[in-house]
Amino acid sequence: ELKVEQNPLFLSMQEGKNYTIYCNYSTTSDRLYWYRQDPGKSLESLFVLLSNGAVKQEGRLMASLDTKARLSTLHITAAVHDLSATYFCAVDRASGTYKYIFGTGTRLKVLA
Amino acid sequence: DVKVTQSSRYLVKRTGEKVFLECVQDMDHENMFWYRQDPGLGLRLIYFSYDVKMKEKGDIPEGYSVSREKKERFSLILESASTNQTSMYLCASSYRGSGNTIYFGEGSWLTVV
Repeated sequence: ELKVEQNPLFLSMQEGKNYTIYCNYSTTSDRLYWYRQDPGKSLESLFVLLSNGAVKQEGRLMASLDTKARLSTLHITAAVHDLSATYFCAVDRASGTYKYIFGTGTRLKVLA
Repeated sequence: DVKVTQSSRYLVKRTGEKVFLECVQDMDHENMFWYRQDPGLGLRLIYFSYDVKMKEKGDIPEGYSVSREKKERFSLILESASTNQTSMYLCASSYRGSGNTIYFGEGSWLTVV
């Protein structure tokens, strides 16, 4: 069965701390997507990782991809309250099929 | 800015009614998608379309159909709504080609009573 597993599912952290969200997947895709969703809102694209070893950074968020391990990480540096949201990763079933599989999401709460 | 617009944000329908959810994108994207989002299950693909009049089933197509008569518009149809179709429905679009960003609409909250 094709799966995308995120952990942790829930994360409560203090402002200023660092943490990593993990995304393991079982497809052969070499593309991985990270999204953010605020409560009651739609999904906003954060990163598209296009190859093995890809690393992208935006502000306090950094995403990386290891296609050999079928693992992506989303690292949060010095968390702030505004980062509180649910984060999803997604992969293609196989390159070019467009049938994306989403993880169940990591709900992040940053406490002031 | 890319815009994916879902015409109805909140709907309440009765069991057995036919329901239309409309989605329009303004970026000339070839691909369009319909997902449903349920707590604890993440997003699940219902249908997607890679061109006008073309469609492919996703993971949970049962009870749904779609229509894409124009490139910018992708409609999701619930032929006979049931309570287990109460959910948030998300439309999305992207350019053809692997690795392109997928843009999502604001979502349609459907309650079937």
